[in-house]
Amino acid sequence: AQRVTQPEKLLSVFKGAPVELKCNYSYSGSPELFWYVQYSRQRLQLLLRHISRESIKGFTADLNKGETSFHLKKPFAQEEDSAMYYCALLGFYQTGANNLFFGTGTRLTVIP
Amino acid sequence: GAVVSQHPSWVICKSGTSVKIECRSLDFQATTMFWYRQFPKQSLMLMATSNEGSKATYEQGVEKDKFLINHASLTLSTLTVTSAHPEDSSFYICSASNRGRNTEAFFGQGTRLTVV
Repeated sequence: AQRVTQPEKLLSVFKGAPVELKCNYSYSGSPELFWYVQYSRQRLQLLLRHISRESIKGFTADLNKGETSFHLKKPFAQEEDSAMYYCALLGFYQTGANNLFFGTGTRLTVIP
Repeated sequence: GAVVSQHPSWVICKSGTSVKIECRSLDFQATTMFWYRQFPKQSLMLMATSNEGSKATYEQGVEKDKFLINHASLTLSTLTVTSAHPEDSSFYICSASNRGRNTEAFFGQGTRLTVV
């Protein structure tokens, strides 16, 4: 069964410090992984996906299949990065169904 | 990005009545829609996945007769909470995506359901 684990519920860092939000997954097939972000009073939105290998707002995430991890990193945190971050896994099945599972989320607070 | 609209944003209903929540993709065809439930200070719990024109796939532990999902068109999916009870009070969120792999899911603003 698939599972997404975000071990840290809360994470506080100082402005300018590096930040890493951890995500580990469990999935029998070939997963597609995403990071979604929810800013205060806004809806969830996609931050980045592992397929794209892109950097969004200075954030990057590398899929490590050996460690089954997809940690989100940013070298220098900004105050506007304060938000709730969710790691998500998109699973596909032979039946044609799919599902999008979320981790429990990490609330990042960047201290000025 | 694409827009997904949920309606209503909040609803209060009496115990025993049914409530319908709509999820619309406004500017794209949503071949897949996901319905989530979120308890206070907790993550989104996937309830079911619906693909246009076919029956929804429910996650384990979710009663399909309690939470009726219809995805009759490429722009609309509905979740009906039947015979609602206070324990059904929660925040319900839908998301929609296009067909295929590696597609972004766009989220609605959520619906706060309170059953009294």
